[in-house]
Amino acid sequence: AQTVTQSQPEMSVQEAETVTLSCTYDTSESDYYLFWYKQPPSRQMILVIRQEAYKQQNATENRFSVNFQKAAKSFSLKISDSQLGDAAMYFCAYRSAVKNYQLIWGAGTKLIIKP
Amino acid sequence: SQTIHQWPATLVQPVGSPLSLECTVEGTSNPNLYWYRQAAGRGLQLLFYSVGIGQISSEVPQNLSASRPQDRQFILSSKKLLLSDSGFYLCAWSGGQNQPQHFGDGTRLSIL
Repeated sequence: AQTVTQSQPEMSVQEAETVTLSCTYDTSESDYYLFWYKQPPSRQMILVIRQEAYKQQNATENRFSVNFQKAAKSFSLKISDSQLGDAAMYFCAYRSAVKNYQLIWGAGTKLIIKP
Repeated sequence: SQTIHQWPATLVQPVGSPLSLECTVEGTSNPNLYWYRQAAGRGLQLLFYSVGIGQISSEVPQNLSASRPQDRQFILSSKKLLLSDSGFYLCAWSGGQNQPQHFGDGTRLSIL
């Protein structure tokens, strides 16, 4: 069975600095998708970025980018120019291309932005 | 554009009472629909998913059930709530096989 591990329960960063959140996963599949979701205090779950495993190029969305290392099964999220609004829980999630209805979630990383 | 509505936002119910949480999606047809529960400070646990009207799959056995009476309506129910049913419930939809899931605002359910 697939698993997703986020080893950092909490991270803090100074406003305007860069922070990287870690995520590793375990799977025997070759085709899958990876996601980062953000959950602010309002509790809404917001998609931040997605990565298709068959794509070698790392996904980028404005200040958010990923470092996808397929062989190492690593999928870290980099947030550049951190803003106060980035403060939230960040969840890494895996989805099989075959069993595609199910997201496997990490435990989350709480990101604190220091003004 | 597509939107997802989930209500109520918060709910306080006594043990043994029934439950009905509703979720609707607008702006798309034949979405995949999902119900999740989130424990405090944790990721999400998939409870039910549906790929079409009347088609419900359950991921974990529990005191809850789900129904999809219309294409864009997904309902989470219980006949008798337990204390352990307390939690944060999220509804989500996705547009197809390779599409990400998009979430509603969630319902905070407290059982007294």
